[in-house]
Amino acid sequence: DQQVKQNSPSLSVQEGRISILNCDYTNSMFDYFLWYKKYPAEGPTFLISISSIKDKNEDGRFTVFLNKSAKHLSLHIVPSQPGDSAVYFCAASERSSGSARQLTFGSGTQLTVLP
Amino acid sequence: GAVVSQHPSRVICKSGTSVKIECRSLDFQATTMFWYRQFPKKSLMLMATSNEGSKATYEQGVEKDKFLINHASLTLSTLTVTSAHPEDSSFYICSARVGGPLHFGNGTRLTVT
Repeated sequence: DQQVKQNSPSLSVQEGRISILNCDYTNSMFDYFLWYKKYPAEGPTFLISISSIKDKNEDGRFTVFLNKSAKHLSLHIVPSQPGDSAVYFCAASERSSGSARQLTFGSGTQLTVLP
Repeated sequence: GAVVSQHPSRVICKSGTSVKIECRSLDFQATTMFWYRQFPKKSLMLMATSNEGSKATYEQGVEKDKFLINHASLTLSTLTVTSAHPEDSSFYICSARVGGPLHFGNGTRLTVT
């Protein structure tokens, strides 16, 4: 049973436009959410996170929105740049995992920003 | 800069041999490190949690005798794939927590021929 789902395996947007990546989760115990960016043959790079006590967190061109009632979060990138082309993973952790805070990952969305 | 270093980045080995992958935390001590595995076009799957000075905690379905984890110091965890088979070919990634989020090494591409 996939607890974190990214239903779009790929997304293409034009440079300068907004990229919106979506993520849904099923475990209501998740209270911390993260987005990672991954290039081929490299490990994931942390982008931005959000705690369940917030509904929005912004860092430069990246904004994460959390809708707890819908169990949905999204990552907005604006303006999109060709260097943003990568696989984006949504991840979540729950209180019961304690300080270890194990992450559950979605399957990723390949973002391609077209020049 | 990188906070987690993983070595080697790529390894090819013959079936039946063992391969060791190292994961080091740079400039910080990590009592806990995590080992993930990624299949092509799939999510990252947590294999095990490496605990300094004690036994690793393995996720369901992961063979502890096949994937040996040793966390002998506060800056080093190793994953040894024993008696490797072609189906063990995958991308293995370690991670450690620095503050809030997990930070990942650059991964190891293992190919078993």
